[in-house]
Amino acid sequence: EAGVVQSPRYKIIEKKQPVAFWCNPISGHNTLYWYLQNLGQGPELLIRYENEEAVDDSQLPKDRFSAERLKGVDSTLKIQPAELGDSAVYLCASGSTSVETQYFGPGTRLLVL
Amino acid sequence: GESVGLHLPTLSVQEGDNSIINCAYSNSASDYFIWYKQESGKGPQFIIDIRSNMDKRQGQRVTVLLNKTVKHLSLQIAATQPGDSAVYFCAELYNQGGKLIFGQGTELSVKP
Repeated sequence: EAGVVQSPRYKIIEKKQPVAFWCNPISGHNTLYWYLQNLGQGPELLIRYENEEAVDDSQLPKDRFSAERLKGVDSTLKIQPAELGDSAVYLCASGSTSVETQYFGPGTRLLVL
Repeated sequence: GESVGLHLPTLSVQEGDNSIINCAYSNSASDYFIWYKQESGKGPQFIIDIRSNMDKRQGQRVTVLLNKTVKHLSLQIAATQPGDSAVYFCAELYNQGGKLIFGQGTELSVKP
């Protein structure tokens, strides 16, 4: 069974530029999460989807971050414009039922110059 | 705010020795805890979990202990191997909101 797929794996951009990350969850998983992980820190939830509905986006900085999961499968996370402090790893996770069970993708490492 | 934290940021052990990684949590209402292993360039990987109605749970070479009195969680790895080298995170599940809260992480280094 394929795991959670994320792309790109690495992205380097200049500040004020837009950037987008893509996630393909495990087949059949209706719950999808986006996390932010700073170096040496644990992941922090940005947004959680149940199918196509964002059920928890309280931690998403909505002035520059946006996310969508139009058909309840793949998801994209966008930052516009990117700031230096956005440099981090962006992790996607998916699960089938309970929030207890989450499978993580490899992440996208973003560097903003 | 509430947080989950680790006592030590790094731990170095000899191959074959046992490892103990500790974690303190602050939310007494949390009822589910997970240990994750994260290797370089990869996402966190589930190791073992425990519910608040348990004190101990064992897996293959790993044991998680939960002390609710002092809000302390530990991960024990028996006969540590070089492949165990990684960063280990504990996470707690807030019953309200159903959100996983991760701690800072402990880097385990296994010396051959």
